[in-house]
Amino acid sequence: QKEVEQDPGPLSVPEGAIVSLNCTYSNSAFQYFMWYRQYSRKGPELLMYTYSSGNKEDGRFTAQVDKSSKYISLFIRDSQPSDSATYLCAMRAYTGGFKTIFGAGTRLFVKA
Amino acid sequence: SAVISQKPSRDICQRGTSLTIQCQVDSQVTMMFWYRQQPGQSLTLIATANQGSEATYESGFVIDKFPISRPNLTFSTLTVSNMSPEDSSIYLCSVLGSGNTIYFGEGSWLTVV
Repeated sequence: QKEVEQDPGPLSVPEGAIVSLNCTYSNSAFQYFMWYRQYSRKGPELLMYTYSSGNKEDGRFTAQVDKSSKYISLFIRDSQPSDSATYLCAMRAYTGGFKTIFGAGTRLFVKA
Repeated sequence: SAVISQKPSRDICQRGTSLTIQCQVDSQVTMMFWYRQQPGQSLTLIATANQGSEATYESGFVIDKFPISRPNLTFSTLTVSNMSPEDSSIYLCSVLGSGNTIYFGEGSWLTVV
């Protein structure tokens, strides 16, 4: 079993839809949770970062962490064609040294 | 967040040759990392570049194949040695920033023919 599971998609939605992207994980030591957006032929760009459980909102983006269920989500409201990209979740734990694990990424297409 | 510049941004190389990728950060950072992202795959950590000492390699990566230098707190290089088509990948320089998050450069797209 992988430490972080993420559905690779692709996920195709119409413009204006609410998008839900999810990751599950198995290591309860993860404390820092991140979402990255990666456009084609570009490096990953940090979108959201949360520490421990709870919600965090930034504009059209909301990150949720449920540590009891080992489940994190990224919601995108009023999705735009410019949101079409691959979204990677990432998690970080301190286990004698920092360890970061990335999900496989979900490809999102927002159709105009 | 730090601004991370990588050179070259892309290259096509002959098998058996070596290529050095440079990473420049606009501020001093303690921890720098090199990742590989193969086509359609997620990010795999190659090594942590330690300033003034040998890099710390992850399982499956060795210094002879991926020598790394880190002469100061703003600069690092990764060399991909004796390249084969299997080395065709994106190589990403990254740093540990505020909040223990990782920031990436734009990547170096390498195609080995």
